[in-house]
Amino acid sequence: GAGVSQSPSNKVTEKGKDVELRCDPISGHTALYWYRQSLGQGLEFLIYFQGNSAPDKSGLPSDRFSAERTGGSVSTLTIQRTQQEDSAVYLCASSLGSTGNTEAFFGQGTRLTVV
Amino acid sequence: AQSVSQHNHHVILSEAASLELGCNYSYGGTVNLFWYVQYPGQHLQLLLKYFSGDPLVKGIKGFEAEFIKSKFSFNLRKPSVQWSDTAEYFCAFLNTGTASKLTFGTGTRLQVTL
Repeated sequence: GAGVSQSPSNKVTEKGKDVELRCDPISGHTALYWYRQSLGQGLEFLIYFQGNSAPDKSGLPSDRFSAERTGGSVSTLTIQRTQQEDSAVYLCASSLGSTGNTEAFFGQGTRLTVV
Repeated sequence: AQSVSQHNHHVILSEAASLELGCNYSYGGTVNLFWYVQYPGQHLQLLLKYFSGDPLVKGIKGFEAEFIKSKFSFNLRKPSVQWSDTAEYFCAFLNTGTASKLTFGTGTRLQVTL
């Protein structure tokens, strides 16, 4: 596709359940980011993938959060045993990477509601 | 740790007023700088960017930003705001010396009144 695609666009889940959020970056983009945006909050960095390097996981808020990027393309963010405070919009972005044009392009986000 | 400070959290202006939103970043080396905008109900989109060259950068919709290296600043300006500029504005930077992540500020909510 032409842009960053995220699915699902909305997800309602029960507290304690696991969820998977998907991100399809722009083809050829080596860098991929996950951010979280809560109501009234800024953009909270979660995790960053750059090519074949080890991901920067420094923003993951707890060990319930994990992410992987398969084949250098699609990424999945997994939240285990969801809690109400996990409710937020999860944003994915991709870019050509730090050695090229570093402009990041964002997807529409996945709105997660934990009830 | 790398960080970005946006000092104005919520700004209210009347149409035609001038705008300046502050942004300071924490790294002293070579950086790429960005302003992103999020209109109500829409996704984040790039407003303007600075990689190198002329420190005065012009973006879409009449916005501009000036990179002042000595002040570690990249303030966003617009001479005359419109009601349609109501949005949230995010400053971001990336340290080009390492394969570092794009770091965002906490955002500034701009409300333009008629």
